Amino acid sequence: EAGVAQSPRYKIIEKRQSVAFWCNPISGHATLYWYQQILGQGPKLLIQFQNNGVVDDSQLPKDRFSAERLKGVDSTLKIQPAKLEDSAVYLCASSLGGGELFFGEGSRLTVL
Amino acid sequence: DAKTTQPPSMDCAEGRAANLPCNHSTISGNEYVYWYRQIHSQGPQYIIHGLKNNETNEMASLIITEDRKSSTLILPHATLRDTAVYYCIVRQNDYKLSFGAGTTVTVRA
Repeated sequence: EAGVAQSPRYKIIEKRQSVAFWCNPISGHATLYWYQQILGQGPKLLIQFQNNGVVDDSQLPKDRFSAERLKGVDSTLKIQPAKLEDSAVYLCASSLGGGELFFGEGSRLTVL
Repeated sequence: DAKTTQPPSMDCAEGRAANLPCNHSTISGNEYVYWYRQIHSQGPQYIIHGLKNNETNEMASLIITEDRKSSTLILPHATLRDTAVYYCIVRQNDYKLSFGAGTTVTVRA
């Protein structure tokens, strides 16, 4: 079974530039999550989708972050404009609903 | 979600059992105890979860105290590949998974 796919694996940008991350969940998984993991900390949930609807985006900085999940499958997370403190690994996860979350390998963002 | 308390780090010897403690004294009746681990440069990986009873799978065993205020994850025969950060999380099913700082486990040869 193919796992959660994320791209790009690494991205370096300058502050005030924009960046987008893509996630393809496990086939059939209705729930999709984006997490932010700053070095030395545990992952923090940014947004949770159920199919193509948002379940929880309470910790998403909406002035600069946006996410969408068109057609209830793939998802993109965008940051515009980026700040230095956005340097982190962005993890995508999916689940059938409840229970086990399956994580991708993450996209590492460095903002200079 | 109830909060959990884990030691920041622990060492264990290769081939020996590793016992990872977790306190969750404010857990509510419908919250499960989940364990995930994160090996360096990878995404978190599910290990095991339970509600009241002890659970075992091919990776680990989960022992939950009768009052459910604490639990222990047991890796029966630790290998070098078990070196990782281990997260204990309490969560209602279908609810968000909130990670703390976890326990950094180092398995030494």
